[in-house]
Amino acid sequence: AQSVAQPEDQVNVAEGNPLTVKCTYSVSGNPYLFWYVQYPNRGLQFLLKYITGDNLVKGSYGFEAEFNKSQTSFHLKKPSALVSDSALYFCAVGQGTGSARQLTFGSGTQLTVLP
Amino acid sequence: GAVVSQHPSWVICKSGTSVKIECRSLDFQATTMFWYRQFPKQSLMLMATSNEGSKATYEQGVEKDKFLINHASLTLSTLTVTSAHPEDSSFYICSLDRGKGVGTEAFFGQGTRLTVV
Repeated sequence: AQSVAQPEDQVNVAEGNPLTVKCTYSVSGNPYLFWYVQYPNRGLQFLLKYITGDNLVKGSYGFEAEFNKSQTSFHLKKPSALVSDSALYFCAVGQGTGSARQLTFGSGTQLTVLP
Repeated sequence: GAVVSQHPSWVICKSGTSVKIECRSLDFQATTMFWYRQFPKQSLMLMATSNEGSKATYEQGVEKDKFLINHASLTLSTLTVTSAHPEDSSFYICSLDRGKGVGTEAFFGQGTRLTVV
C-alpha cells in the first residue's frame, strides 16, 4: 500500500523568506508524486509533479520540489514567499496508470505567509 | 482555463431532503470521474469512481444508497446525497483525468460546500 506523510500541519513564514513544505512517501516501485494547492472553499489546483528525470521539478507560481529517492521525500519549496501563497498544500503519490483513483493524499499543510 | 466545472459551489438544505451536485468536464470526454469528500482541515477521501454508462464503484464504507452517482454522458457526472442529515455536511469535490497515461495529473472541480440543517 502507498502512503504519504506531511509531518507539519502548519507552516508559518515571513513574506520574502524561503519556504519549505515537507512530504515523505512510501510506495513499492517507482512513485509518481504531485503537489496540489487548495484555497478556501475551492478545489485543488495542480502545482507540479515528478514522474521521472531531473530530481528538481519546477512548477507553477515559482514553486519547485526536489525528489529524493534515498530519503523518500518530495519537499515543496519556494525561494521567496508571497502573502498570496497562503493556502492548504497537499502532497500526493500515485502509481499505475496515473488515474486519480490511485492517488493517495497527505493530510495537508496549512501555509501562512506573514506580511 | 477551467477543465472541470462543479455546481453548486455551496448549498444549504433541510435534514431529510436530497441534494444533487453536478460535475462537468468542459473540454474533453471523461469516461471516468471521481468524487471526494473533505472534512475541515482534513485530507481528501475518495468516495467513489464514476464510470460513464455503468455503475459507480464505491469505496469501502461509503453507502451506495446514500450517495447516488450517475454518469449518463461523457461530460457530466452527478452526486445526489439522499435524505441528507447534518453529519453529511462536508465539502464534496469531483475530479477527472485526461487518461493520457502514466503520471497524468488529475483536475479538480471547485468543490461544493454542503450544509445540512
